[in-house]
Amino acid sequence: GENVEQHPSTLSVQEGDSAVIKCTYSDSASNYFPWYKQELGKRPQLIIDIRSNVGEKKDQRIAVTLNKTAKHFSLHITETQPEDSAVYFCAATFSGSARQLTFGSGTQLTVLP
Amino acid sequence: DTEVTQTPKHLVMGMTNKKSLKCEQHMGHRAMYWYKQKAKKPPELMFVYSYEKLSINESVPSRFSPECPNSSLLNLHLHALQPEDSALYLCASSETSGANVLTFGAGSRLTVL
Repeated sequence: GENVEQHPSTLSVQEGDSAVIKCTYSDSASNYFPWYKQELGKRPQLIIDIRSNVGEKKDQRIAVTLNKTAKHFSLHITETQPEDSAVYFCAATFSGSARQLTFGSGTQLTVLP
Repeated sequence: DTEVTQTPKHLVMGMTNKKSLKCEQHMGHRAMYWYKQKAKKPPELMFVYSYEKLSINESVPSRFSPECPNSSLLNLHLHALQPEDSALYLCASSETSGANVLTFGAGSRLTVL
């Protein structure tokens, strides 16, 4: 069935270090892969997204890579700051669900000062 | 205006009450969504409206009744809820349904006593 697996569930890094979160998906026809950041008590906000015709996308300290053959995509945050602490959700569209988003289970990122 | 506005922010209701959650966007988006989010879990899709018509109902119990009065407004009518329905209810919108960027509202935190 439609599935997005996200790892790790929790991640602690020292300020200034890099953080990497990985997701795998089950539907080879998926074509849209966004990442959302949700701070405690706040709404999910899109931080970066990638479509299946692109292998990598970067926006300042944030980058996403997509490997269509292996059906996985990753979020990379460099030079982490305390304000990066939040829950991060990956998501993917599936052809069998009218192309609605299916979310991964989330990663709690803590950046230690 | 680039926001999705939800009211009320907090709602406490008994199991016999009838209440409504409201959502509004003025971005000209033609798809609107209701999601349910439990603590430390990803958002779960409940309903999708596309061009003011209900296009997806993810097998949601009939005690939740959505309504889309016009292209800018989305309501969720609540009746005879159960304590397990306590959650954060998020409204979202996108330009069209499918593989598009979701803009989330801040959510309505519902507690059912």
